[in-house]
Amino acid sequence: GDSVTQMEGPVTLSEEAFLTINCTYTATGYPSLFWYVQYPGEGLQLLLKATKADDKGSNKGFEATYRKETTSFHLEKGSVQVSDSAVYFCALSWQGGSEKLVFGKGTKLTVNP
Amino acid sequence: DTAVSQTPKYLVTQMGNDKSIKCEQNLGHDTMYWYKQDSKKFLKIMFSYNNKELIINETVPNRFSPKSPDKAHLNLHINSLELGDSAVYFCASSPRTYRVLNTEAFFGQGTRLTVV
Repeated sequence: GDSVTQMEGPVTLSEEAFLTINCTYTATGYPSLFWYVQYPGEGLQLLLKATKADDKGSNKGFEATYRKETTSFHLEKGSVQVSDSAVYFCALSWQGGSEKLVFGKGTKLTVNP
Repeated sequence: DTAVSQTPKYLVTQMGNDKSIKCEQNLGHDTMYWYKQDSKKFLKIMFSYNNKELIINETVPNRFSPKSPDKAHLNLHINSLELGDSAVYFCASSPRTYRVLNTEAFFGQGTRLTVV
């Protein structure tokens, strides 16, 4: 079935460092792709999304491009801040008849000052 | 004005007890979900309802029973709680229907259930 694979964490960076969190997917159809963020003690919030190939989602300095040829949706940010410390989840919308989000296992990011 | 609200936020209970978690959304969405997040942060869907109709039931033990009195509410009742039920349970909603695709889900703050 459809699935999402994220790079394993935890990831620890210094403030202003460049961030990449890899995400690849397996899907039989044409899913939409999402990045969600979970700050400590909170629920998930949508960070960005892309609904078709070559779309770029962006928000709060984060970007991800929907690459159909490599089945990837890597998350990037040019300069991370301490406030970006959180768990990041890549997800796809499964379109196999019943709609649901399929999540990757999450990547914990810690940014040190 | 919270969009998706769950109560309680924390729940500590003994094995064998029965407990309920309530969820309400004020977004006017048609679809609501329950997700379980384990200790390793892995998220897995449990149930989804569309307009009070059960759409997804993902191999969840019969001890878990969702109930949707109306499309703004989706409650989760758990019978005979076990140690392995300890997790964070998230409610979510989306405007997603069979005709509206590619929309995201909005999540509640989560309910941390601890079974002792």
